[in-house]
Amino acid sequence: RKEVEQDPGPFNVPEGATVAFNCTYSNSASQSFFWYRQDCRKEPKLLMSVYSSGNEDGRFTAQLNRASQYISLLIRDSKLSDSATYLCVVNIPNTGNQFYFGTGTSLTVIP
Amino acid sequence: DADVTQTPRNRITKTGKRIMLECSQTKGHDRMYWYRQDPGLGLRLIYYSFDVKDINKGEISDGYSVSRQAQAKFSLSLESAIPNQTALYFCATSDFSAHTQYFGPGTRLTVL
Repeated sequence: RKEVEQDPGPFNVPEGATVAFNCTYSNSASQSFFWYRQDCRKEPKLLMSVYSSGNEDGRFTAQLNRASQYISLLIRDSKLSDSATYLCVVNIPNTGNQFYFGTGTSLTVIP
Repeated sequence: DADVTQTPRNRITKTGKRIMLECSQTKGHDRMYWYRQDPGLGLRLIYYSFDVKDINKGEISDGYSVSRQAQAKFSLSLESAIPNQTALYFCATSDFSAHTQYFGPGTRLTVL
């Protein structure tokens, strides 16, 4: 079973829409959680960390549900520049602090 | 200048050839990682190193070796390249807290 699973999409949404991505993780020892953004053929870049209490950064809101072992990312008022692949990432201390990546969810924002 | 650099950026080689991919960082991080990315499979860890004397195998280390020449340098070698090693390779670093990873721009390797 994969450590991290995401719906690959694609999600095609109009500008201004709200879109949500979910991600599930299998190891209850997972300690840290992140969303990374990856543009086509480029390196992943940290979008935001995900905290237990939930956190918001502008139009982006991340939530963590430890009981159900899932993480979500909500994007409000989508912009064309939000088009990218969003990677869910977890860090598991008892595996030597390795990072485990989901396969990514593709988002295209349409004018 | 970029904090994490990779060379070469693109490489086409033939089956059986030895290839070295190099990674350098100026972030002063102790931890360095090599990943490969394939369509539909996401990023998978090949090797990681927490300091110069510490090398660890990741999920898919077979067919690869690494060298941590200094805190700032971490090289990945394919001793005898095969076509299913065609992929996008990323180097990454993180600090001791392992809260964030910083990626290099990637090396696109094609093995014919």
